[in-house]
Amino acid sequence: DVKVTQSSRYLVKRTGEKVFLECVQDMDHENMFWYRQDPGLGLRLIYFSYDVKMKEKGDIPEGYSVSREKKERFSLILESASTNQTSMYLCASRPTDRWAGELFFGEGSRLTVL
Amino acid sequence: AQRVTQPEKLLSVFKGAPVELKCNYSYSGSPELFWYVQYSRQRLQLLLRHISRESIKGFTADLNKGETSFHLKKPFAQEEDSAMYYCALSAGGTSYGKLTFGQGTILTVHP
Repeated sequence: DVKVTQSSRYLVKRTGEKVFLECVQDMDHENMFWYRQDPGLGLRLIYFSYDVKMKEKGDIPEGYSVSREKKERFSLILESASTNQTSMYLCASRPTDRWAGELFFGEGSRLTVL
Repeated sequence: AQRVTQPEKLLSVFKGAPVELKCNYSYSGSPELFWYVQYSRQRLQLLLRHISRESIKGFTADLNKGETSFHLKKPFAQEEDSAMYYCALSAGGTSYGKLTFGQGTILTVHP
């Protein structure tokens, strides 16, 4: 079974803090994604990566950055957290040779910014 | 740019009733469409994809290019179908592999 693990299930941070959300997958997938999930808005893509050290902006990259130093790890960084970044963050991965739409998701990281 | 619209935020049916979750899309090319499901306290997972033309857990979905729709249907809903459902689209070209999701529909099946 593919395993996508997000290190923190729940985080509470203060406005202005730097926040790291970590995601690790154990199936040697090339592609990794960060989405945020908000009621009424669905899932929106923040950043994705097709290879190590490679990153591309998704639909809502403002206020976020990412890091992919190793193939199995994709980190989402909030340089200065703001209250409008309170959300559920979902990491996903996919190998290149599978259906484009078959993403494997982590359990999510619920971030609250006070 | 592509867009996916799920017009119903909430949908309630009784057990044994038919259910249809609506999905409309906007995309100029030839899309690949998917339904994802998230049960309570579980991670989001793929339910079915249009290209496979398969039935999963009694659910089917047909891509209608004329109406740009990909509605999810089940003839007899079960309580265990209660979940959040997302319709998603994968575009080709440089966007290949990236999914655009709809807003989601929460389905509740009452006993």
